[in-house]
Amino acid sequence: GESVGLHLPTLSVQEGDNSIINCAYSNSASDYFIWYKQESGKGPQFIIDIRSNMDKRQGQRVTVLLNKTVKHLSLQIAATQPGDSAVYFCAESISGGYQKVTFGTGTKLQVIP
Amino acid sequence: DAGVIQSPRHEVTEMGQEVTLRCKPISGHNSLFWYRQTMMRGLELLIYFNNNVPIDDSGMPEDRFSAKMPNASFSTLKIQPSEPRDSAVYFCASSPSGQFGNEQFFGPGTRLTVL
Repeated sequence: GESVGLHLPTLSVQEGDNSIINCAYSNSASDYFIWYKQESGKGPQFIIDIRSNMDKRQGQRVTVLLNKTVKHLSLQIAATQPGDSAVYFCAESISGGYQKVTFGTGTKLQVIP
Repeated sequence: DAGVIQSPRHEVTEMGQEVTLRCKPISGHNSLFWYRQTMMRGLELLIYFNNNVPIDDSGMPEDRFSAKMPNASFSTLKIQPSEPRDSAVYFCASSPSGQFGNEQFFGPGTRLTVL
């Protein structure tokens, strides 16, 4: 489904290679970060999250790195598969209140078989 | 679990008509969010409900938009009158709690086209 702007960054990766998707967040007060995956015609799906007291968190085939100094997040996908093709969004949130999440513009990942 | 259910999946209407989008959150979730996604603006939060009460509606574009949550299992987003610039994909999401750190589960979205 339609999910991103006309100038969406696109990352093309060979199947089996590792993918790294980067994101710069805007609010230095944000202390909770989430990566979502959105496949065509579907809603965003949670992948992994990280709190600001951590620099790294690993999931199944995915790793999120957080650099608070430069307000940067990255999502690493190991052994990229065709099913990983989607748009990936980073999102930021602030604790202490309700879970208002601000989404980034997204990066399109294309996996080349 | 059926997940978040939205209807209709596609809606095509003419400018000036009333549009009603529907959402059934995941059972037991007490937070509900309406988002709008467009090519130009990305994914934007429109309104957030907690325990059926609107908590933050600062993202609602204008008075033509209204949202209700009459009970824990149903919410509507209404646009009246609709305009071509309202064309977008509208997502509903629910969460076990509005508290920090809880995952939001998104529905499949409603693609709205206003001619």
